[in-house]
Amino acid sequence: AQSVTQPDIHITVSEGASLELRCNYSYGATPYLFWYVQSPGQGLQLLLKYFSGDTLVQGIKGFEAEFKRSQSSFNLRKPSVHWSDAAEYFCAVGGYNQGGKLIFGQGTELSVKP
Amino acid sequence: DVKVTQSSRYLVKRTGEKVFLECVQDMDHENMFWYRQDPGLGLRLIYFSYDVKMKEKGDIPEGYSVSREKKERFSLILESASTNQTSMYLCASSALTIGENLFGPGTRLTVL
Repeated sequence: AQSVTQPDIHITVSEGASLELRCNYSYGATPYLFWYVQSPGQGLQLLLKYFSGDTLVQGIKGFEAEFKRSQSSFNLRKPSVHWSDAAEYFCAVGGYNQGGKLIFGQGTELSVKP
Repeated sequence: DVKVTQSSRYLVKRTGEKVFLECVQDMDHENMFWYRQDPGLGLRLIYFSYDVKMKEKGDIPEGYSVSREKKERFSLILESASTNQTSMYLCASSALTIGENLFGPGTRLTVL
């Protein structure tokens, strides 16, 4: 079955600390992978995406993610978290010729301590 | 600035009412989607459309229908709203060959 798992429902980090949000997927074909961020009461904004090529991808707001095919993972990282990064983060997977149909994880809520 | 717009940010309806949620995109995208978002469940696909007048069921279509009469507009219809349809509804669109979804701001629907 195709699925995305985000093992951490809620993470709290101190401002300035590093961050890693985990994402594991199960997908029958070559995956396209995405991370989205959602601020309270807002829609989802694309942080970064992986289609092919370099397995380390850079996104907006200083985020990066690494695709590891052998581990079926696409973890999101940021070296130094800012208070404005507090939000909910969603990992998603899709495929070529799937017309944009994505499967989302459950989401990870990030809180940032001063 | 390209965008997806949704007709209402907040909506309160009564049980049994017929509810229309409207979504418009200005990017000439072929694909449009309706998702439902609930805490702890992430986003679940209700319906999607690859072209005008075409629709396909997603993972949770029960209690919902959709309409796509024009390429830029995709409507979600709750024929008879129930309290378990209280949720955040997100519309998205994407171009045919890529998977990147562009999302609207969402409609928070409360059914009393």
